[in-house]
Amino acid sequence: QVQLQQWGAGLLKPSETLSLTCAVYGGSFSGFYWTWVRQPPGRGLEWIADINQSGRTNYNPSLKSRVTISMDTSKKQFSLKLTSVTAADTAVYYCVREVRGIIITYPYFVFDIWGRGTMVTVSS
Amino acid sequence: SSELTQDPDVSVALGQTVRITCQGDSLRSSYAAWYQEKPGQAPLLVFYGKNSRPSRIPDRFSGSSSGNTASLTITGAQVEDEADYYCYSRDNRGDHLGVFGGGTKLTVL
Repeated sequence: QVQLQQWGAGLLKPSETLSLTCAVYGGSFSGFYWTWVRQPPGRGLEWIADINQSGRTNYNPSLKSRVTISMDTSKKQFSLKLTSVTAADTAVYYCVREVRGIIITYPYFVFDIWGRGTMVTVSS
Repeated sequence: SSELTQDPDVSVALGQTVRITCQGDSLRSSYAAWYQEKPGQAPLLVFYGKNSRPSRIPDRFSGSSSGNTASLTITGAQVEDEADYYCYSRDNRGDHLGVFGGGTKLTVL
């Protein structure tokens, strides 16, 4: 059974850099898109960034200037860095596996495996 | 457009049928996926594509799509279905960035 195990600092001061890593256990690293999603307290889900096995990345335009997603295929890990954090970056951060497919001519995009989430608090 | 719009709050009487909708231009060219989120838990995939439901999800959950609108239907809502529901897809421009709907809080009365 595929599992995602994530870790990283849970308390940051404003202007510091958030750094999270997610490891993939029990399954292949290739053939999927590896994604970070966050959820501020009391608010909805927000897609942050993703990376595929080829290293191609996509970023949420609202965060693009501060975010970097990377991967280490030999370790089956992927990571998120978010610079210059503020209180607005306080959220639960999830690492997620995305599966893509096509039904007839329409594509679908599914987050089928989620990490347990890391609560990151930004406070002085 | 990269936005997906959901009604913030929906309620349903116990045992009745409820439909949660998600609107956005990207849904004209891709399917939505639906997630159930309960307090303190990671989101759970409940439906996706044209007619796909994970094996552990009860068959009272179903989905449909028409034009720019995707719908999640719960037939015979149960107390345990009370949760937040999010739709997700990718926008239909360039890099196909991921986008979530704003979420719908479902209350079972």
